[in-house]
Amino acid sequence: EAGVVQSPRYKIIEKKQPVAFWCNPISGHNTLYWYLQNLGQGPELLIRYENEEAVDDSQLPKDRFSAERLKGVDSTLKIQPAELGDSAVYLCASSLGQKGTGELFFGEGSRLTVL
Amino acid sequence: RKEVEQDPGPFNVPEGATVAFNCTYSNSASQSFFWYRQDCRKEPKLLMSVYSSGNEDGRFTAQLNRASQYISLLIRDSKLSDSATYLCVVNEWGGSYIPTFGRGTSLIVHP
Repeated sequence: EAGVVQSPRYKIIEKKQPVAFWCNPISGHNTLYWYLQNLGQGPELLIRYENEEAVDDSQLPKDRFSAERLKGVDSTLKIQPAELGDSAVYLCASSLGQKGTGELFFGEGSRLTVL
Repeated sequence: RKEVEQDPGPFNVPEGATVAFNCTYSNSASQSFFWYRQDCRKEPKLLMSVYSSGNEDGRFTAQLNRASQYISLLIRDSKLSDSATYLCVVNEWGGSYIPTFGRGTSLIVHP
């Protein structure tokens, strides 16, 4: 069974440019999470989806970040415009939600460098 | 105040040593608990779940203390390959699980 797939793995852009990350969760996983991870820190939640509904986006900087999960399967996270401080690893994770134990399955992450 | 706290380390131990990490959490209503392992420049992967009754998997033992609101991870007979960052995860419930990560504890096992 395929795991969580993310793309691109690496992205280098200049500040003020837009960037988008894509995530395809494990089949059947209703809950999808986007996390941001800075060096030496644990992952920090940006947004949590239950199917196509964003049930928790309180930590998403909505002035420049947006996310969608239109059909309740794959998801995109967009930053526009990017700032130097956005350089980080963006991790997507999925879980079974109510049917599961809370275990998360992560993709390999998208490493963003903003110059 | 961060909800899940871990000592970032690094813990620098020789092969064969026993090492223990603790993680404290602030929400007494937290539902489930995990330890994840993260290798350098890789994604976190589940190491083990944590139960009040304790959970042992080979050289690894995890324990939950609800009264004192902490979880622990014990690694016996450390191997070089155990070098990694160990992330504590505490789940709350809000229609689905809401995982909160600690900042991770770095372990370096040297020859």
